[in-house]
Amino acid sequence: GAVVSQHPSRVICKSGTSVKIECRSLDFQATTMFWYRQFPKKSLMLMATSNEGSKATYEQGVEKDKFLINHASLTLSTLTVTSAHPEDSSFYICSASGTGGSYNSPLHFGNGTRLTVT
Amino acid sequence: GQQVMQIPQYQHVQEGEDFTTYCNSSTTLSNIQWYKQRPGGHPVFLIQLVKSGEVKKQKRLTFQFGEAKKNSSLHITATQTTDVGTYFCAGNAGNNRKLIWGLGTSLAVNP
Repeated sequence: GAVVSQHPSRVICKSGTSVKIECRSLDFQATTMFWYRQFPKKSLMLMATSNEGSKATYEQGVEKDKFLINHASLTLSTLTVTSAHPEDSSFYICSASGTGGSYNSPLHFGNGTRLTVT
Repeated sequence: GQQVMQIPQYQHVQEGEDFTTYCNSSTTLSNIQWYKQRPGGHPVFLIQLVKSGEVKKQKRLTFQFGEAKKNSSLHITATQTTDVGTYFCAGNAGNNRKLIWGLGTSLAVNP
């Protein structure tokens, strides 16, 4: 089945620093990847849709200059949390569609990254 | 805006009891997907329903998609401790690529 690898799984950083999270589709090409944020015991909140070779589409209320997304290839998307603050601490999960981006294709999720900003 | 309500939010059952979670959408969905997230883990795709009135089974799990394609349910027969986790429904409205997620139902199973 489709495998999505996300790295790192955990990261602790100091306030003001930047953190990069990588999301790779290992055995398929993903023209579209999705970045989610999840608070403890809460649902998934879509942050942005990452499109290969073009600018990401951000959801309302998500600062594009703070959460930088790059999707330079069909197998890699990155999310960089810039100038991180404690309120950015959260569980970040990427996902990709396994059949090239059909709108109703099931999503395959990475293992997530737990970010703690001190 | 488009919403998917999911109930209950939490459910505690004794092992062996049945469990059901329900999703209701404010708009007609083109499909409904179900995911399971174990504690500390990531969501894992379980199944997708696309047809009005569709029913699918996976061992002890039964999934239904309503006739109006606005509601769905997941029923687990004779729960086991391995069923513990949060179950999410999510659907697409029309051909919009963005999934609309339910808030999830957290299931706890007492052995």
